[in-house]
Amino acid sequence: QVKLQQSGAELVKPGASVKLSCKTSGYTFSTSYMSWFKQIPGQSIEWIGMIYAGDGGTGYNQKFKGKATLTVDTSSSTAYMDLSSLTTEDSAVYFCARGPGAGDYWGQGVMVTVSS
Amino acid sequence: DVVMTQTPVSLPVSLGGQASISCRSSQSLVHSNGNTYLHWYLQKPGQSPQLLIYRVSNRFSGVPDRFSGSGSGTDFTLKISRVEPEDLGDYYCLQSTHFPPTFGGGTKLELK
Repeated sequence: QVKLQQSGAELVKPGASVKLSCKTSGYTFSTSYMSWFKQIPGQSIEWIGMIYAGDGGTGYNQKFKGKATLTVDTSSSTAYMDLSSLTTEDSAVYFCARGPGAGDYWGQGVMVTVSS
Repeated sequence: DVVMTQTPVSLPVSLGGQASISCRSSQSLVHSNGNTYLHWYLQKPGQSPQLLIYRVSNRFSGVPDRFSGSGSGTDFTLKISRVEPEDLGDYYCLQSTHFPPTFGGGTKLELK
């Protein structure tokens, strides 16, 4: 069955960067899209961007350009998202999901806390 | 960006009853290819969103037929009949017709 397993919770200092991972199984990763989402607890969900694992092509929400960088490692069927120059406004739960916009299968989410 | 407006924000229901959630978009969600990319998710507390309905009215794998989606253009509805305890949580609509995909603000389905 399709599974997306995300890395563990992160506590990072303002100004730092963090790399989140999303390891997949149960489907053909190399011909699929992966999207990433942000959810501040108690609020709705934002789409950050997507990546096509076949060629690494990406598309970003303008709001997250310069903040998020999406990559993949097809040898391990894993997707990554780098978040840079973190501020307290980046504290949120981040999800990966299979698909170019609407995700059908989702990871469990990872809490990123930005605090000094 | 396309603005998605969900109503109501909170929806008290009785078990076994029916619930209806509305989602309106700031512009038509009909894609140039003729498809309408409007989807519905349920997020239970502490969990990731789960896809219920895709492209307006198609139930995702394993979703019971108590869930139904309808609508067109800018107006969409999710109906839940015979509400069960596992249906409680936050419901979101998502449009992926226009870039970037955008979510509604959410509707909390809770017990009356």
